[in-house]
Amino acid sequence: SQTIHQWPATLVQPVGSPLSLECTVEGTSNPNLYWYRQAAGRGLQLLFYSVGIGQISSEVPQNLSASRPQDRQFILSSKKLLLSDSGFYLCAWSDPRLAVSYEQYFGPGTRLTVT
Amino acid sequence: RKEVEQDPGPFNVPEGATVAFNCTYSNSASQSFFWYRQDCRKEPKLLMSVYSSGNEDGRFTAQLNRASQYISLLIRDSKLSDSATYLCVVSRGGGGNKLTFGTGTQLKVEL
Repeated sequence: SQTIHQWPATLVQPVGSPLSLECTVEGTSNPNLYWYRQAAGRGLQLLFYSVGIGQISSEVPQNLSASRPQDRQFILSSKKLLLSDSGFYLCAWSDPRLAVSYEQYFGPGTRLTVT
Repeated sequence: RKEVEQDPGPFNVPEGATVAFNCTYSNSASQSFFWYRQDCRKEPKLLMSVYSSGNEDGRFTAQLNRASQYISLLIRDSKLSDSATYLCVVSRGGGGNKLTFGTGTQLKVEL
C-alpha cells in the first residue's frame, strides 16, 4: 500500500529565515505530487504540482519554490519567510495512470508559524 | 463567483439525525467530483467519489447534478464521530489532474 510522509510536523520560524519542507511517497512510482497551503479558517490553496522529476508548475506567484529531485520526493522551500507564510502545508499525491487519477491522498501536514 | 461554493455551517445536529450538505461549482468542464473529510488540525481524507448516477457508501449518499452544477452529500443516522468539516472537491482543467477544494461545511453531531 502507498504511504506519504511529511516532516516536520510543526515548525516555528522567525521572519526572514529559510524554509525547507520535505514530502516522500512510498509504494508507488511516477506519482503526481502537490503542495497545498491552508491558512487558518481558509480553504486549500494549490501552490505547486509536479508530474515528474524536475517538472514543477507554480500556481500562485509568491516567495516559495518547489523541487522534485527524485521520483517520490517533493520539497517546498523559501529563502526568506514572511508572516503571511504561516499556515498548514499539505503534500498530496495521485496516480496518473489510474482511471481514478484525480483522487489525491494527503500527508499529515506541517503546521508552520512564522513569528 | 467562487469555483466551489459551500455553506460553511456549522451544522449542529443530534446523534441519529439525517443531514445534507450542498455544493455548487462554476466550471462546467469539471469531470471528477469528490467529498473529503477533514478533522480539526488534520489532513483531508477522501470520503467518496461522486458519480452522475449517484452513489452510496453505508450511511453516506452522494449525488451529482451536472445540469445544475450541484453536488450533495447526505449522512444518515449521524454519529458523534461524523463531526468534522466536509470539503466539496471538483477537478480542474489543464495538466496535472488538479483539484479545486471548497472551503468546507462544518458538522457537529451532539448527544
